Amino acid sequence: GEDVEQSLFLSVREGDSSVINCTYTDSSSTYLYWYKQEPGAGLQLLTYIFSNMDMKQDQRLTVLLNKKDKHLSLRIADTQTGDSAIYFCAASGAGSYQLTFGKGTKLSVIP
Amino acid sequence: EPEVTQTPSHQVTQMGQEVILRCVPISNHLYFYWYRQILGQKVEFLVSFYNNEISEKSEIFDDQFSVERPDGSNFTLKIRSTKLEDSAMYFCASSRGLAGPQETQYFGPGTRLLVL
Repeated sequence: GEDVEQSLFLSVREGDSSVINCTYTDSSSTYLYWYKQEPGAGLQLLTYIFSNMDMKQDQRLTVLLNKKDKHLSLRIADTQTGDSAIYFCAASGAGSYQLTFGKGTKLSVIP
Repeated sequence: EPEVTQTPSHQVTQMGQEVILRCVPISNHLYFYWYRQILGQKVEFLVSFYNNEISEKSEIFDDQFSVERPDGSNFTLKIRSTKLEDSAMYFCASSRGLAGPQETQYFGPGTRLLVL
């Protein structure tokens, strides 16, 4: 089955860019998602990208997809202290309803 | 903005007891899901539900689990006889169901279940 991997921790200074990386194994994954989880809160959808796209930009967020390497990244420009959270990468396979999640990357923003 | 809600936020139970976790999906959504996250582990899919029946389930979703849409707004997950290893955060999610399985799923805040 699908496996999604992420690094567990990332620390950046306020104002810098953050890049969170994710790899997945199933080449038939059609949608890839980034969710954000703040302490005590649920999973908030940040953005998603369809597998026939290479890049998607949404305000401070840029998603890059390298389908050949099965690598997904989320870049947050001008990172703020409010961006401190756990960021989850998730993939959905063709014809399946289940999302497969990574373990989450804890982003810490240093003022 | 509409959101998925879940009750209770925390539940403590004794091993062997039955628990029911409740969710109110977004009102015009047609697909409903349960996921769980054991502390320190990945978020895992349990089950998806559409048109009053299970559409997909994982190996985790064995006979001790069941789901129900008892009325027009609630979606429940029942664990019949809880085990210690059922302790986890349980997330409910819903999606519109118009564009198939790849539609975006919106998650609730979760119910933290602790089995003693």
